[in-house]
Amino acid sequence: DAGITQSPRHKVTETGTPVTLRCHQTENHRYMYWYRQDPGHGLRLIHYSYGVKDTDKGEVSDGYSVSRSKTEDFLLTLESATSSQTSVYFCAISLAGEDYNEQFFGPGTRLTVL
Amino acid sequence: DQQVKQNSPSLSVQEGRISILNCDYTNSMFDYFLWYKKYPAEGPTFLISISSIKDKNEDGRFTVFLNKSAKHLSLHIVPSQPGDSAVYFCAASGSSNTGKLIFGQGTTLQVKP
Repeated sequence: DAGITQSPRHKVTETGTPVTLRCHQTENHRYMYWYRQDPGHGLRLIHYSYGVKDTDKGEVSDGYSVSRSKTEDFLLTLESATSSQTSVYFCAISLAGEDYNEQFFGPGTRLTVL
Repeated sequence: DQQVKQNSPSLSVQEGRISILNCDYTNSMFDYFLWYKKYPAEGPTFLISISSIKDKNEDGRFTVFLNKSAKHLSLHIVPSQPGDSAVYFCAASGSSNTGKLIFGQGTTLQVKP
């Protein structure tokens, strides 16, 4: 299962509070990704990382920041959560090698912003 | 602007019959296409993929067809089984090799026993 864990698995928070979601992998994969899944939109890329301290924006990055200080951890932060950020968040990794497109996903974090 | 579209939100088929899930894309720069399956409360799992240099890729009961001129791909599942009931997402990637995927909205497949 590519050794991906996400924490917390569920979180309820209030508008305006900061929230940090954690993705942890055990196999030293270089590429890591954060997606959100919403009805009618499928999965949309928020940010991705191609190495320690190397990150870039995806298609829905506004309101989110990321950090990667260690290979194994990729953090997603909502600086001031809004109700529109209520979603299911998935972390993914790409396996090393030529094919960066086949990604493996974590179990997800369900975030509710009241 | 949705670059990858799955126009059928749901599909219901009888066990043993063929399931055909469709996906359309607009960006001619996409060169790699993937299908993912997702069960409730789990992350998506990779199912099958196809490069733009091919028009067909087969893996057991699953076959993906790519029609580049029509910017259309489809996933065929034969024979369909109740365990195939899930949400199926198609995804596309450009040539940047960063692994950035654009997903469709998903199609919920129900296979009835």
